[in-house]
Amino acid sequence: EPEVTQTPSHQVTQMGQEVILRCVPISNHLYFYWYRQILGQKVEFLVSFYNNEISEKSEIFDDQFSVERPDGSNFTLKIRSTKLEDSAMYFCASSRGGQPQHFGDGTRLSIL
Amino acid sequence: AQRVTQPEKLLSVFKGAPVELKCNYSYSGSPELFWYVQYSRQRLQLLLRHISRESIKGFTADLNKGETSFHLKKPFAQEEDSAMYYCAFKNNFGNEKLTFGTGTRLTIIP
Repeated sequence: EPEVTQTPSHQVTQMGQEVILRCVPISNHLYFYWYRQILGQKVEFLVSFYNNEISEKSEIFDDQFSVERPDGSNFTLKIRSTKLEDSAMYFCASSRGGQPQHFGDGTRLSIL
Repeated sequence: AQRVTQPEKLLSVFKGAPVELKCNYSYSGSPELFWYVQYSRQRLQLLLRHISRESIKGFTADLNKGETSFHLKKPFAQEEDSAMYYCAFKNNFGNEKLTFGTGTRLTIIP
């Protein structure tokens, strides 16, 4: 069964540095998402992406965040100037629209 | 605002006993409800979706619009059911984002 893949599995970054989290969605899916889960808290929606543009974003997704689909397979989340509170598990998901979302294994981001 | 509530953070059940994981939502329209499961160190996996009305791994969930609930049930718990369970909600306004509950960690006692 096809899967969403995310790299790296764990990223350690100094505060203030930029970080890029990478995702390869399932190939015939058209909707892409990023969620995050701060340790001990619930999974929170960040952004959805469809037809090469953001379709919805949460209040968490401020100007330090951006998403991109640089080619036909990758979907990236960039955090420009990381803060301590950005430490979390970041999940990528994809769907065909109207169908359930499939999640990746997540990237654990640790900001020092 | 739409919200999903899972009142139990932790639930322990003996093997063979019935399981019920509670989920309530607040939304005035027609929602779409899901249960996702996360086994230890694994990804979030879809367990159930209310519109498909199927039983997966012995689990069922019925959407009760009167009580705004979508409780997850299984008549006889198995050890491999130990996991984190998340109830999630999607409205039907065309956007696709999921709103998750805080999750319930289910532990099956052998």
